[in-house]
Amino acid sequence: DAGVTQSPTHLIKTRGQQVTLRCSPKSGHDTVSWYQQALGQGPQFIFQYYEEEERQRGNFPDRFSGHQFPNYSSELNVNALLLGDSALYLCASSLDGFERRTEAFFGQGTRLTVV
Amino acid sequence: AQSVSQHNHHVILSEAASLELGCNYSYGGTVNLFWYVQYPGQHLQLLLKYFSGDPLVKGIKGFEAEFIKSKFSFNLRKPSVQWSDTAEYFCAVTGSGYSTLTFGKGTMLLVSP
Repeated sequence: DAGVTQSPTHLIKTRGQQVTLRCSPKSGHDTVSWYQQALGQGPQFIFQYYEEEERQRGNFPDRFSGHQFPNYSSELNVNALLLGDSALYLCASSLDGFERRTEAFFGQGTRLTVV
Repeated sequence: AQSVSQHNHHVILSEAASLELGCNYSYGGTVNLFWYVQYPGQHLQLLLKYFSGDPLVKGIKGFEAEFIKSKFSFNLRKPSVQWSDTAEYFCAVTGSGYSTLTFGKGTMLLVSP
């Protein structure tokens, strides 16, 4: 049973460029969340997708956008990259459940470096 | 807004020592609580979770945590650590909204053989 897979694993971009990160959720999961983990910090919630809609959003600017496809896979797009966007980007999948008592499974992340 | 505070950023122990990592959260409603572990070069993995019921929760690899509602705490414990427990540990909480996690800053545990 494949877990959460993310691509690419590493990426180097230049300031001002745009980047797209991809995530395939664990089999059977319908909800995808994205997190940003800066060096020395815990993951911070960016947004969550369910039924192809952004359901909840954290405190991130509109430069961060996403998409969920009918097969539940998801993309994270970041426009106009800043040096401060350098971080590990984590994708987590879960199954939407009663009273949200669900467990999130994480991918290995995409390490984005902005130079 | 929810927040999670982990007391120690770095902990160094010798093998066989006992471990307790502190975690306090700030949230007024019903919470679900989690401890995740990130071994070097690996993805975040769930150690244990608390949704309701017995406040003493047992997880994988001999870890346990106790939910003390009056103290807003969910401390992680292990009676005897091993070198293989060297990793970063994150406490996290979800509230009554959607299943989005709020994480603490993490505690890096180094176990010397």
